[in-house]
Amino acid sequence: EPEVTQTPSHQVTQMGQEVILRCVPISNHLYFYWYRQILGQKVEFLVSFYNNEISEKSEIFDDQFSVERPDGSNFTLKIRSTKLEDSAMYFCASSDYRGRETQYFGPGTRLLVL
Amino acid sequence: EDKVVQSPLSLVVHEGDTVTLNCSYEVTNFRSLLWYKQEKKAPTFLFMLTSSGIEKKSGRLSSILDKKELFSILNITATQTGDSAVYLCAVQDSNYQLIWGAGTKLIIKP
Repeated sequence: EPEVTQTPSHQVTQMGQEVILRCVPISNHLYFYWYRQILGQKVEFLVSFYNNEISEKSEIFDDQFSVERPDGSNFTLKIRSTKLEDSAMYFCASSDYRGRETQYFGPGTRLLVL
Repeated sequence: EDKVVQSPLSLVVHEGDTVTLNCSYEVTNFRSLLWYKQEKKAPTFLFMLTSSGIEKKSGRLSSILDKKELFSILNITATQTGDSAVYLCAVQDSNYQLIWGAGTKLIIKP
């Protein structure tokens, strides 16, 4: 069964460093999303992406964040200058055009900022 | 402000028991309600509900939506230890954005 994959599974970085989280959505999906979940807290929407541009973004998704689909398969989330409070699990999700309600999630990347 | 509230926050039952998890919502432009199961990492999709009163079933799990009273329930019958997880409710608005509840942590004791 097709699935969303994410790399790396874990990343530890120093405060102020840039990180790039990578996702490979399901191949025929057209809509892509990033969410984050700080330990013990709610899943929070960050951004949605369609047709090579951002469709929606939340207040969390400030200028430190950017997303890109550099080729036909990868979907990346870049955090330019990480802060301690960026430590969280980051989930990528994708959905197809007909079933946009059904978002399929990747396994997540655990980011720890020291 | 849109919000999704789940109850209880946590629940401990014995194997074989039946549980009912609740999700109420106040979302301005409701499109659908989704249930996810979260074990160690990513939420895995369980159900999507768009119409009131139509039960969705998958094995021992079932769910129903009431759009008049703005809530949904997730039932799990004959629970097993593998059902232990956090169950997340999310409401999708007209922009396809998911608004998440805090989850119900379900622990099934053998």
